[in-house]
Amino acid sequence: AQTVTQSQPEMSVQEAETVTLSCTYDTSESNYYLFWYKQPPSRQMILVIRQEAYKQQNATENRFSVNFQKAAKSFSLKISDSQLGDTAMYFCAFTGGTSYGKLTFGQGTILTVHP
Amino acid sequence: GAGVSQSPSNKVTEKGKDVELRCDPISGHTALYWYRQSLGQGLEFLIYFQGNSAPDKSGLPSDRFSAERTGGSVSTLTIQRTQQEDSAVYLCASSLRAAGAYEQYFGPGTRLTVT
Repeated sequence: AQTVTQSQPEMSVQEAETVTLSCTYDTSESNYYLFWYKQPPSRQMILVIRQEAYKQQNATENRFSVNFQKAAKSFSLKISDSQLGDTAMYFCAFTGGTSYGKLTFGQGTILTVHP
Repeated sequence: GAGVSQSPSNKVTEKGKDVELRCDPISGHTALYWYRQSLGQGLEFLIYFQGNSAPDKSGLPSDRFSAERTGGSVSTLTIQRTQQEDSAVYLCASSLRAAGAYEQYFGPGTRLTVT
């Protein structure tokens, strides 16, 4: 069974600064996908960024980038130039190549961006 | 186009009553997933559909929980004889195909409160 661990229950950052959220996972699968989802107070889960395990290059989406360390089974999210609208719960998620898209989530990290 | 919709947005019910939660996926999406978000258990997978079939029901907590999907579209999650531990936010997601390569789009969720 796969597990996803987010060890930071809460994080805070000043507007315009950079913050990194941590995530580790455990799996025996060789082909899998990793995701970061954002859940604002509205409850709407929004995909922030995804990484295919077979790709060595770290994914980047505008101000969001990941540090994917496959051997260490680590998948951290870096948010640059933090904005007030980034305040939300962030979930790291995993799905295996044979799991039909079924997502396993970490416990979540509450990120607060202060003005 | 329209996103994933869920109804009702909030539901308060008395212990022992049955409830039905509805999910309308994005048109053309063949895969549909149900997840539950609770304080004690975090975000957990319940069941997924490929078309009208449910190949993986492994996350349903008990036989009081059931789900169906008709016409490859709308899905209903039914909880019979509700218990207080069923209180949670129930999230629905849909994707083009049931595979990790395809992004899951989430609905806003139904907050269920059992009194």
